[in-house]
Amino acid sequence: SSELTQPPSVSVSPGQTASITCSGDKLGDKYTCWYQQRPGQSPLLVIYQDTKRPSGIPERFSGSNSGNTATLTISGTQAMDEADYYCQAWDSSTNVVFGGGTKLTVL
Amino acid sequence: QITLKESGPTLVKPTQTLTLTCTFSGFSLSTSGVGVGWIRQPPGKALEWLALIYWDDDKRYSPSLKSRLTITKDTSKNQVVLTMTNMDPVDTATYYCAHRTALEDFDYWGQGTLVTVSS
Repeated sequence: SSELTQPPSVSVSPGQTASITCSGDKLGDKYTCWYQQRPGQSPLLVIYQDTKRPSGIPERFSGSNSGNTATLTISGTQAMDEADYYCQAWDSSTNVVFGGGTKLTVL
Repeated sequence: QITLKESGPTLVKPTQTLTLTCTFSGFSLSTSGVGVGWIRQPPGKALEWLALIYWDDDKRYSPSLKSRLTITKDTSKNQVVLTMTNMDPVDTATYYCAHRTALEDFDYWGQGTLVTVSS
């Protein structure tokens, strides 16, 4: 099975751009999705198939995936974006793999 | 509107078997491409995928927990059941079930149920 590596924490000032990375072997060959989890809440899908936003997700959320790294980018970060973010992909055995999560702090 | 809800015991003793039920609405588990997965999250820790069952009854398990897990579905009742044997305090976590789309993501999640393993 594969492992997905995320930085434990990322800090950003309000209005600035936050980038959260997710690294894994040949991750660019697979689809990656991203979840936001606020304290006490269930995860919320914010990006699927590398770059697509579900209905209702603000345009400031975007994604990319190439080589060994997928990236979640939040433009014009707002205080409400402060949360834990998890990447997820599938390994070669078609098993689900989650990253270790990144705590986004909006200072 | 898709909804999912987990149910089961909140407290189990070490070595016991945990049985959790996910009751869902708004979709059919007989629709091609659809699946229901179980994911858990120990307090303050990351999400961990446990198991997944597909519309065609194909089943996938976390390699590290495969020997302890069984996932089944009852399409007529709109339910998916997860059993985990030989529970240990390290299995204390919030257990979520989620709807897996044909696009390989989990787009709807239940509210989660906290299971504590303690004697």
